Amino acid sequence: KNEVEQSPQNLTAQEGEFITINCSYSVGISALHWLQQHPGGGIVSLFMLSSGKKKHGRLIATINIQEKHSSLHITASHPRDSAVYICAVRDYNTDKLIFGTGTRLQVFP
Amino acid sequence: DAGITQSPRHKVTETGTPVTLRCHQTENHRYMYWYRQDPGHGLRLIHYSYGVKDTDKGEVSDGYSVSRSKTEDFLLTLESATSSQTSVYFCAISESGGYNSPLHFGNGTRLTVT
Repeated sequence: KNEVEQSPQNLTAQEGEFITINCSYSVGISALHWLQQHPGGGIVSLFMLSSGKKKHGRLIATINIQEKHSSLHITASHPRDSAVYICAVRDYNTDKLIFGTGTRLQVFP
Repeated sequence: DAGITQSPRHKVTETGTPVTLRCHQTENHRYMYWYRQDPGHGLRLIHYSYGVKDTDKGEVSDGYSVSRSKTEDFLLTLESATSSQTSVYFCAISESGGYNSPLHFGNGTRLTVT
């Protein structure tokens, strides 16, 4: 079992829909990252959080440390949101980053 | 965007040949990392550096070596490329190695070993 699991693996949506991507992890962490990767492109850091909730534009990231779970929400989704979203956690004990395999999101007009 | 440049962006090479990938940063960040990305796997750390001439192995370091002679450059070398090293390679940087230090990634190098 992977230490970081994302769900769903693939997600399609119509423009305007509310999107939720989930990340569950099994290790104690000091921080959690959400990253975005466009097709053929580089990786962009969206959020880094260790508690609570962060918001940037239409994106919201939440984390529940007790439940070892984080969600990334996209409100009013748009085709340009189509990308792979990657969750990564920093292991509290080893200080290493552990990456999930990503959620591929496609938003259709 | 953080100033990170990876070169080349694409490379096709034959099995057994040496290959060097370059990561160049203009941010003066102390930490630099090399990751590989393969289908079905999360990003996996190959090697990292925490300063000039200071490097350490990651989880998939076999077959790879690195060098960092200047703050701004971190080189990844495949001494004798194998088909299993066909992958997309990402360089990343961070100001410190601490938990609260965000990572910034380059645009990746797609390497194909035939």
